[in-house]
Amino acid sequence: NAGVTQTPKFQVLKTGQSMTLQCAQDMNHNSMYWYRQDPGMGLRLIYYSASEGTTDKGEVPNGYNVSRLNKREFSLRLESAAPSQTSVYFCASSLTAPYGYTFGSGTRLTVV
Amino acid sequence: DAKTTQPPSMDCAEGRAANLPCNHSTISGNEYVYWYRQIHSQGPQYIIHGLKNNETNEMASLIITEDRKSSTLILPHATLRDTAVYYCIVPLENTGGFKTIFGAGTRLFVKA
Repeated sequence: NAGVTQTPKFQVLKTGQSMTLQCAQDMNHNSMYWYRQDPGMGLRLIYYSASEGTTDKGEVPNGYNVSRLNKREFSLRLESAAPSQTSVYFCASSLTAPYGYTFGSGTRLTVV
Repeated sequence: DAKTTQPPSMDCAEGRAANLPCNHSTISGNEYVYWYRQIHSQGPQYIIHGLKNNETNEMASLIITEDRKSSTLILPHATLRDTAVYYCIVPLENTGGFKTIFGAGTRLFVKA
């Protein structure tokens, strides 16, 4: 049982490049989330998907897009990366609210 | 804006109970309180959640005051592996329980 799998684990981008962070869960959860965590800070919600076919903005959505590809997969896209997007990105899933989240191990992204 | 207030750090002796407080004085009547922890830079780990009654599971106990304005997470016999950042979170109002903000949390140091 893998839980929440994120790929890649590490990535270095040049300013202006684009990339997609992948997230997949195998727990048959309905809801999925993307967070970012800057050094020494808590987690901030970027986007979430309450159920398959829906997505909504979180606290810090600017510069990102998401796709809920199916029930298992929820991807995060950076269209034109900026140094301010250097962060650790965590994907999470839950059965639905109010159940607790299961987090992935994170993607460490550096934009130079 | 975080809806919870936690002390930035706490110490606990190994084998003793660790009591981590959280203030959530603006919590609404139907929002749950959740606790997570994050060890090093791993993805946060769900610990426990509750609405109004005290809750216990294999990891911890959660004590919620009768007015629901504060809660305490109790690790009954702390070990060195419990050294982590502990987050107390409450979903934002009118978001169906899906929008959560993780503040800075409490950094717990368990000492031998």
